[in-house]
Amino acid sequence: AQKVTQAQTEISVVEKEDVTLDCVYETRDTTYYLFWYKQPPSGELVFLIRRNSFDEQNEISGRYSWNFQKSTSSFNFTITASQVVDSAVYFCALSEADSGTYKYIFGTGTRLKVLA
Amino acid sequence: DAGITQSPRHKVTETGTPVTLRCHQTENHRYMYWYRQDPGHGLRLIHYSYGVKDTDKGEVSDGYSVSRSKTEDFLLTLESATSSQTSVYFCAISDRSLRNTEAFFGQGTRLTVV
Repeated sequence: AQKVTQAQTEISVVEKEDVTLDCVYETRDTTYYLFWYKQPPSGELVFLIRRNSFDEQNEISGRYSWNFQKSTSSFNFTITASQVVDSAVYFCALSEADSGTYKYIFGTGTRLKVLA
Repeated sequence: DAGITQSPRHKVTETGTPVTLRCHQTENHRYMYWYRQDPGHGLRLIHYSYGVKDTDKGEVSDGYSVSRSKTEDFLLTLESATSSQTSVYFCAISDRSLRNTEAFFGQGTRLTVV
Protein backbone atom coordinates (compact mmCIF):
# COMPACT_ATOMS: atom_id res chain seq x y z
CA ALA A 1 0.00 0.00 0.00
CA GLN A 2 1.16 3.49 -0.69
CA LYS A 3 1.95 5.82 2.19
CA VAL A 4 3.52 9.22 2.70
CA THR A 5 5.01 10.34 6.00
CA GLN A 6 5.80 13.92 6.91
CA ALA A 7 7.11 13.58 10.42
CA GLN A 8 7.54 17.31 10.99
CA THR A 9 4.20 18.71 12.06
CA GLU A 10 5.35 22.29 12.45
CA ILE A 11 8.62 24.12 11.91
CA SER A 12 9.45 27.69 12.89
CA VAL A 13 12.44 29.54 11.49
CA VAL A 14 13.64 33.09 11.40
CA GLU A 15 13.66 34.85 8.07
CA LYS A 16 16.74 34.12 5.92
CA GLU A 17 17.36 30.77 7.57
CA ASP A 18 17.43 27.64 5.41
CA VAL A 19 14.85 24.97 6.17
CA THR A 20 14.33 21.41 4.98
CA LEU A 21 10.97 19.68 4.94
CA ASP A 22 11.16 15.90 5.07
CA CYS A 23 9.05 13.44 3.12
CA VAL A 24 9.32 9.66 3.27
CA TYR A 25 7.18 7.45 1.07
CA GLU A 26 6.27 3.80 0.72
CA THR A 27 5.27 2.07 -2.48
CA ARG A 28 5.59 -1.29 -4.17
CA ASP A 29 5.30 0.15 -7.65
CA THR A 30 8.34 0.62 -9.82
CA THR A 31 6.78 3.59 -11.58
CA TYR A 32 5.45 6.37 -9.42
CA TYR A 33 5.40 10.11 -9.08
CA LEU A 34 6.15 12.38 -6.16
CA PHE A 35 4.85 15.89 -5.66
CA TRP A 36 5.06 18.87 -3.36
CA TYR A 37 2.17 21.26 -2.85
CA LYS A 38 1.98 24.54 -0.93
CA GLN A 39 -1.10 25.68 0.95
CA PRO A 40 -0.78 29.33 1.98
CA PRO A 41 -3.05 30.86 4.63
CA SER A 42 -5.57 31.71 1.91
CA GLY A 43 -6.27 27.98 1.60
CA GLU A 44 -5.67 27.06 -2.02
CA LEU A 45 -3.38 24.19 -2.94
CA VAL A 46 -0.55 25.19 -5.23
CA PHE A 47 1.46 22.63 -7.16
CA LEU A 48 5.22 23.13 -6.76
CA ILE A 49 7.03 20.20 -8.33
CA ARG A 50 6.72 16.62 -9.52
CA ARG A 51 9.36 13.92 -9.73
CA ASN A 52 9.25 10.64 -11.64
CA SER A 53 10.56 7.48 -10.04
CA PHE A 54 12.99 6.94 -12.90
CA ASP A 55 14.53 10.39 -12.60
CA GLU A 56 16.57 10.95 -9.45
CA GLN A 57 18.08 14.18 -10.63
CA ASN A 58 17.70 16.86 -8.02
CA GLU A 59 16.10 20.11 -8.98
CA ILE A 60 16.56 23.73 -8.04
CA SER A 61 14.12 26.50 -8.72
CA GLY A 62 15.18 29.80 -7.29
CA ARG A 63 15.27 29.43 -3.51
CA TYR A 64 13.58 26.02 -3.68
CA SER A 65 15.40 22.72 -4.14
CA TRP A 66 14.32 19.13 -3.98
CA ASN A 67 16.36 16.05 -3.12
CA PHE A 68 14.97 12.74 -4.34
CA GLN A 69 16.67 9.58 -3.05
CA LYS A 70 15.15 6.24 -3.96
CA SER A 71 17.60 4.40 -1.68
CA THR A 72 16.01 6.02 1.37
CA SER A 73 12.53 6.54 -0.16
CA SER A 74 12.76 10.23 0.54
CA PHE A 75 11.83 13.38 -1.34
CA ASN A 76 12.93 16.32 0.76
CA PHE A 77 12.27 19.98 0.07
CA THR A 78 14.67 22.75 1.03
CA ILE A 79 13.94 26.45 1.10
CA THR A 80 17.05 28.59 1.09
CA ALA A 81 16.99 32.03 2.71
CA SER A 82 13.39 31.65 3.83
CA GLN A 83 10.99 34.56 3.62
CA VAL A 84 7.79 35.38 5.47
CA VAL A 85 5.84 34.63 2.27
CA ASP A 86 7.04 31.03 2.53
CA SER A 87 4.83 30.57 5.60
CA ALA A 88 2.36 27.88 4.62
CA VAL A 89 1.48 24.24 5.00
CA TYR A 90 3.46 22.05 2.64
CA PHE A 91 2.22 18.67 1.49
CA CYS A 92 4.15 15.84 -0.07
CA ALA A 93 2.18 13.43 -2.25
CA LEU A 94 2.68 10.11 -4.03
CA SER A 95 0.89 8.67 -7.02
CA GLU A 96 1.52 5.15 -8.18
CA ALA A 97 1.31 4.35 -11.88
CA ASP A 98 1.61 0.58 -12.23
CA SER A 99 -1.96 -0.15 -11.13
CA GLY A 100 -3.44 2.49 -13.40
CA THR A 101 -5.73 3.91 -10.75
CA TYR A 102 -3.64 7.07 -10.36
CA LYS A 103 -4.71 7.97 -6.87
CA TYR A 104 -2.81 10.71 -5.08
CA ILE A 105 -1.92 9.98 -1.48
CA PHE A 106 -0.87 12.88 0.68
CA GLY A 107 1.16 13.21 3.83
CA THR A 108 -0.29 15.03 6.80
CA GLY A 109 1.58 18.20 5.93
CA THR A 110 4.24 20.35 7.57
CA ARG A 111 3.28 23.83 8.75
CA LEU A 112 6.18 26.23 8.16
CA LYS A 113 6.24 29.50 10.05
CA VAL A 114 8.82 32.03 8.94
CA LEU A 115 9.25 34.77 11.49
CA ALA A 116 10.39 38.25 10.53
CA ASP B 1 -4.73 28.23 -13.52
CA ALA B 2 -6.60 25.01 -14.18
CA GLY B 3 -10.29 25.58 -14.80
CA ILE B 4 -11.84 23.97 -11.74
CA THR B 5 -14.86 25.39 -10.00
CA GLN B 6 -16.30 24.06 -6.77
CA SER B 7 -19.77 24.98 -5.58
CA PRO B 8 -20.86 26.00 -3.12
CA ARG B 9 -17.78 27.52 -1.52
CA HIS B 10 -19.34 27.56 1.91
CA LYS B 11 -22.28 25.66 3.31
CA VAL B 12 -23.85 25.15 6.71
CA THR B 13 -26.29 22.30 6.98
CA GLU B 14 -28.11 20.39 9.66
CA THR B 15 -27.35 16.87 10.78
CA GLY B 16 -29.31 14.31 8.81
CA THR B 17 -29.84 16.41 5.69
CA PRO B 18 -28.48 15.42 2.28
CA VAL B 19 -25.79 17.61 0.78
CA THR B 20 -24.31 17.67 -2.72
CA LEU B 21 -21.06 19.36 -3.62
CA ARG B 22 -20.24 20.03 -7.24
CA CYS B 23 -16.92 20.08 -9.03
CA HIS B 24 -16.87 21.45 -12.56
CA GLN B 25 -13.83 21.45 -14.84
CA THR B 26 -13.18 23.00 -18.22
CA GLU B 27 -9.90 21.15 -18.88
CA ASN B 28 -11.40 17.93 -20.25
CA HIS B 29 -9.26 15.92 -17.84
CA ARG B 30 -10.10 12.27 -17.44
CA TYR B 31 -9.39 11.88 -13.73
CA MET B 32 -11.25 13.66 -10.95
CA TYR B 33 -10.93 13.34 -7.19
CA TRP B 34 -12.63 14.40 -3.98
CA TYR B 35 -10.56 14.95 -0.86
CA ARG B 36 -11.35 16.17 2.59
CA GLN B 37 -8.91 18.14 4.69
CA ASP B 38 -8.94 17.95 8.47
CA PRO B 39 -6.39 19.13 11.04
CA GLY B 40 -3.81 16.45 11.72
CA HIS B 41 -4.94 14.29 8.81
CA GLY B 42 -3.83 16.23 5.79
CA LEU B 43 -5.74 15.45 2.63
CA ARG B 44 -7.61 12.17 2.51
CA LEU B 45 -9.11 10.70 -0.61
CA ILE B 46 -12.87 10.13 -0.49
CA HIS B 47 -13.70 8.97 -4.02
CA TYR B 48 -12.19 9.32 -7.43
CA SER B 49 -13.21 8.90 -11.04
CA TYR B 50 -11.20 7.63 -13.98
CA GLY B 51 -13.84 8.37 -16.60
CA VAL B 52 -17.52 9.05 -17.16
CA LYS B 53 -19.51 6.70 -14.90
CA ASP B 54 -16.26 5.11 -13.68
CA THR B 55 -15.68 5.77 -10.00
CA ASP B 56 -14.02 4.06 -7.07
CA LYS B 57 -13.65 4.46 -3.35
CA GLY B 58 -10.82 6.16 -1.54
CA GLU B 59 -9.68 5.68 2.03
CA VAL B 60 -12.55 7.56 3.73
CA SER B 61 -15.56 6.79 1.53
CA ASP B 62 -18.08 5.77 4.20
CA GLY B 63 -21.06 8.13 4.21
CA TYR B 64 -20.25 9.55 0.77
CA SER B 65 -21.32 8.75 -2.75
CA VAL B 66 -20.28 10.23 -6.07
CA SER B 67 -21.50 10.47 -9.61
CA ARG B 68 -19.94 11.47 -12.88
CA SER B 69 -22.37 11.60 -15.78
CA LYS B 70 -20.28 14.05 -17.82
CA THR B 71 -16.55 14.53 -18.18
CA GLU B 72 -16.73 18.00 -16.72
CA ASP B 73 -18.80 17.34 -13.58
CA PHE B 74 -18.05 15.25 -10.50
CA LEU B 75 -20.62 15.36 -7.72
CA LEU B 76 -20.04 14.40 -4.11
CA THR B 77 -23.12 13.57 -2.04
CA LEU B 78 -23.45 13.20 1.68
CA GLU B 79 -26.63 11.17 1.96
CA SER B 80 -27.26 12.12 5.59
CA ALA B 81 -24.77 14.62 6.89
CA THR B 82 -23.12 14.07 10.27
CA SER B 83 -21.01 16.38 12.39
CA SER B 84 -17.94 14.24 11.61
CA GLN B 85 -18.29 15.33 8.00
CA THR B 86 -17.61 18.93 8.90
CA SER B 87 -14.51 19.60 6.86
CA VAL B 88 -12.98 21.40 3.93
CA TYR B 89 -13.56 19.50 0.71
CA PHE B 90 -11.27 19.78 -2.28
CA CYS B 91 -11.84 18.60 -5.80
CA ALA B 92 -8.84 17.79 -7.98
CA ILE B 93 -8.34 16.92 -11.64
CA SER B 94 -5.57 15.26 -13.60
CA ASP B 95 -5.07 14.09 -17.17
CA ARG B 96 -2.14 11.80 -16.33
CA SER B 97 -0.43 12.34 -19.63
CA LEU B 98 3.29 11.69 -19.79
CA ARG B 99 3.94 15.42 -19.58
CA ASN B 100 1.45 16.23 -16.86
CA THR B 101 1.06 13.83 -13.98
CA GLU B 102 0.23 16.34 -11.29
CA ALA B 103 -3.23 17.03 -9.91
CA PHE B 104 -4.73 20.50 -9.83
CA PHE B 105 -7.10 21.54 -7.11
CA GLY B 106 -10.21 23.62 -6.83
CA GLN B 107 -10.58 26.39 -4.25
CA GLY B 108 -12.27 24.14 -1.71
CA THR B 109 -15.69 23.99 -0.07
CA ARG B 110 -16.01 24.59 3.65
CA LEU B 111 -18.86 22.45 4.95
CA THR B 112 -20.19 22.78 8.47
CA VAL B 113 -22.70 20.26 9.80
CA VAL B 114 -24.54 21.49 12.90
